[in-house]
Amino acid sequence: DTGVSQNPRHKITKRGQNVTFRCDPISEHNRLYWYRQTLGQGPEFLTYFQNEAQLEKSRLLSDRFSAERPKGSFSTLEIQRTEQGDSAMYLCASSLGPVGAFFGQGTRLTVV
Amino acid sequence: AQSVTQLDSQVPVFEEAPVELRCNYSSSVSVYLFWYVQYPNQGLQLLLKYLSGSTLVKGINGFEAEFNKSQTSFHLRKPSVHISDTAEYFCAVSDNNAGNMLTFGGGTRLMVKP
Repeated sequence: DTGVSQNPRHKITKRGQNVTFRCDPISEHNRLYWYRQTLGQGPEFLTYFQNEAQLEKSRLLSDRFSAERPKGSFSTLEIQRTEQGDSAMYLCASSLGPVGAFFGQGTRLTVV
Repeated sequence: AQSVTQLDSQVPVFEEAPVELRCNYSSSVSVYLFWYVQYPNQGLQLLLKYLSGSTLVKGINGFEAEFNKSQTSFHLRKPSVHISDTAEYFCAVSDNNAGNMLTFGGGTRLMVKP
């Protein structure tokens, strides 16, 4: 059981730069979710894929954010023109069917 | 839309004492309920879940939770805590009709003291 894998674990970037995170879900899981967690808060939903189709996006996901899941396998989350307010832990989760999502260890983004 | 309220932001407790972490939710539709644990700089680990059936749910590490529909609560309990239980605990809800995205509460920090 390799679990959900996220890379990188940490990313420090300058304001205005673009960053991309990768998530490799558990291999047989057809659902993949991205969440954002700021310090001292619970995770907040960003977007959801079923296989390769992006079926839901939160209003939190501004037009600077884009996510893809080509071929229904790994997923990438890109943030363009980063802002200090984007500093957070970005969590990926996957599940087979509707319940019991398994989370990765997250990517901590710091925008300086 | 759903919302989750975790009534206590921090719960200090001595080792081997019992603990209850409180969670209330609101939703206009039927929901699934979850408790997750998060250790520092880690992702979330599923402790237990309520989907249907028996309202008393047992999870990993000796935790259990009881679903109370009339009080819209899903409190987490453990009869005897260990130092290693020190972590952040999140209650979450998803509706059982849509994409099942999780809505989380703000978290409760359990601090177990020797």
